Amino acid sequence: GAVVSQHPSWVICKSGTSVKIECRSLDFQATTMFWYRQFPKQSLMLMATSNEGSKATYEQGVEKDKFLINHASLTLSTLTVTSAHPEDSSFYICSARATGTGELFFGEGSRLTVL
Amino acid sequence: DAKTTQPNSMESNEEEPVHLPCNHSTISGTDYIHWYRQLPSQGPEYVIHGLTSNVNNRMASLAIAEDRKSSTLILHRATLRDAAVYYCIPHSGGYNKLIFGAGTRLAVHP
Repeated sequence: GAVVSQHPSWVICKSGTSVKIECRSLDFQATTMFWYRQFPKQSLMLMATSNEGSKATYEQGVEKDKFLINHASLTLSTLTVTSAHPEDSSFYICSARATGTGELFFGEGSRLTVL
Repeated sequence: DAKTTQPNSMESNEEEPVHLPCNHSTISGTDYIHWYRQLPSQGPEYVIHGLTSNVNNRMASLAIAEDRKSSTLILHRATLRDAAVYYCIPHSGGYNKLIFGAGTRLAVHP
């Protein structure tokens, strides 16, 4: 089946640094991708909708200057957590909606730990 | 977005059937009922979806109430690999965003 790959699968960084997470659709094109954040024992919280070639749409309460989203091609979206702090430690998950069929596929998630 | 109510947790024994309920009384007439599940430390995976009629696939069956205000995901024979959080999500389809509720954490005992 269709695959969405996230990289890195886990990352540890120091407080104040920036971290980039990639989300790639490996065998289909995705005009729209979504980014979620999930804290331990909680559900997925939608952060933003990423549309290829345009600015991302952020959910209420999500700081767009802190969580930079770029969707420069039909197979790649990136999430950059800028000036990360320990409270940004979380499981970040992307999903990609296949252009045409509209099917939605999820990545394996990226676990960020900020020290 | 339609609100959903699911049990926080359920338990099952291996090889027994599991019925996971979901109430979605505010579902709109055009919303499909989607079920996803999330295994530990992984992203969600699609299970099944339906509109009005009951649906079957290789993973599960979906029974939808006649008034569409509730549905039940049925795992016919639970395996240890089915231990996961199951999410019921009304969704209008297309390119709209998918909003997750709290889900039901299913434990499967050997």
